[in-house]
Amino acid sequence: GEEVAQTPKHLVRGEGQKAKLYCAPIKGHSYVFWYQQVLKNEFKFLISFQNENVFDETGMPKERFSAKCLPNSPCSLEIQATKLEDSAVYFCASSQSPGNYEQYFGPGTRLTVT
Amino acid sequence: AQTVTQSQPEMSVQEAETVTLSCTYDTSENNYYLFWYKQPPSRQMILVIRQEAYKQQNATENRFSVNFQKAAKSFSLKISDSQLGDTAMYFCAFIYDKVIFGPGTSLSVIP
Repeated sequence: GEEVAQTPKHLVRGEGQKAKLYCAPIKGHSYVFWYQQVLKNEFKFLISFQNENVFDETGMPKERFSAKCLPNSPCSLEIQATKLEDSAVYFCASSQSPGNYEQYFGPGTRLTVT
Repeated sequence: AQTVTQSQPEMSVQEAETVTLSCTYDTSENNYYLFWYKQPPSRQMILVIRQEAYKQQNATENRFSVNFQKAAKSFSLKISDSQLGDTAMYFCAFIYDKVIFGPGTSLSVIP
C-alpha cells in the first residue's frame, strides 16, 4: 500500500500480559523501523529490519521485547509480561534505505498498561 | 554516538508572524541527512523539510526554511507567516543509519 498501516490503534493490557503490535510497511520499502514514544514525547529507537533480517537492534530491551518481519506478513513487535513503563505510543516507519531517505511513519499504536 | 538537542521545549508565536526553532547535533560523520518532523495532536508524524549534509544550499519548502550550518552542527527551522495549523510538536532528526530524534519543541500559534 501507499501508507504504513499499524494495528491496533489502541491496546490495553494488564500488567504482566502480552502485547503484540503489527505494522505493514509501504510496498517496495525494504526497511522497517520501530520507535517508542513515551508520554514526555521523546522517541526511542527500538529496532530496524532490512526485509526479514534484523538490521539494527541496539535499542531493543532484550528481556521482554521481540520483533519479526516475515515474508508476506505484517511485521510485529511483541512485549512479553508488560510493565507499566511500557505504556507509550509505538510507531512503525518504513523507508527505501536506512540512511538517506525519508522514513514514512504509521499512525502509531497506543499501548496502555494498567 | 550521535545526539540531537532542541533547547526550546516550548515556544509560541502570533499568527502571521515568523518563528525559528533551534536544533544542534553532534556527529563525527560527514555525509548524513537532517529532517524536521511535525507531530500535531493527532500524533501523526509529518515530514516538514529535509536537508542533505553535502548540500550547502539551505532547503526551502513553501513557508518552511532551514538555516543549516554544518561546521557549527546547527539546523534551525524557520516558519514564516505562521498559521494556526502549525501548532504541533516539532522534532529535529539526524539520520545516518537510523534516526536520532531531538526531544522536541512544542509550538503554539496564537490567534
